[in-house]
Amino acid sequence: DQQVKQNSPSLSVQEGRISILNCDYTNSMFDYFLWYKKYPAEGPTFLISISSIKDKNEDGRFTVFLNKSAKHLSLHIVPSQPGDSAVYFCAATMPSGGGADGLTFGKGTHLIIQP
Amino acid sequence: DAGVIQSPRHEVTEMGQEVTLRCKPISGHNSLFWYRQTMMRGLELLIYFNNNVPIDDSGMPEDRFSAKMPNASFSTLKIQPSEPRDSAVYFCASWSSWADTQYFGPGTRLTVL
Repeated sequence: DQQVKQNSPSLSVQEGRISILNCDYTNSMFDYFLWYKKYPAEGPTFLISISSIKDKNEDGRFTVFLNKSAKHLSLHIVPSQPGDSAVYFCAATMPSGGGADGLTFGKGTHLIIQP
Repeated sequence: DAGVIQSPRHEVTEMGQEVTLRCKPISGHNSLFWYRQTMMRGLELLIYFNNNVPIDDSGMPEDRFSAKMPNASFSTLKIQPSEPRDSAVYFCASWSSWADTQYFGPGTRLTVL
């Protein structure tokens, strides 16, 4: 049973526009959330994270929003660039600090940035 | 730093054969994780170690799968005997309390014919 869900397998966005990737979770014990980016034939690389004590975290063009009551988070990329084309994974973990325990991943969203 | 190193990058084997995947974590990281990626199930945690000790192996699918970490710089994931449904990309990741996240290796693409 998927505890972390990314319901959009793919998303196409025009270059320069905003990309919004969504993620839902079911386990209320999750308290730390991460987004990873993955290019073909490479491992996932960390993009941005958010703790459950916050509702927003920003890093350059990337912002993650967390709505705990809805068990929903989203990743915003503004403006979208061709190099952002990749598969994005949402991940969650239990209380212990960022990465000490295993991560529970969604199935990923393939973001395609159109020129 | 070389990052997490995995070998081989690709493995093709026949059903029934033993497969051994290898991982070298980032130096100084004290936690190591094995994940598997398939189309059906996405990325799923198989097992992880803290200070070379297995902590949670509830994700290991069957007794055919085993993992060891004999020292802080090396881990293996073994499948014996392998089956076609084991075909997937297997990732190793490492972490330390001073790191901001888990760092993933490039993965091993396993094909079992």
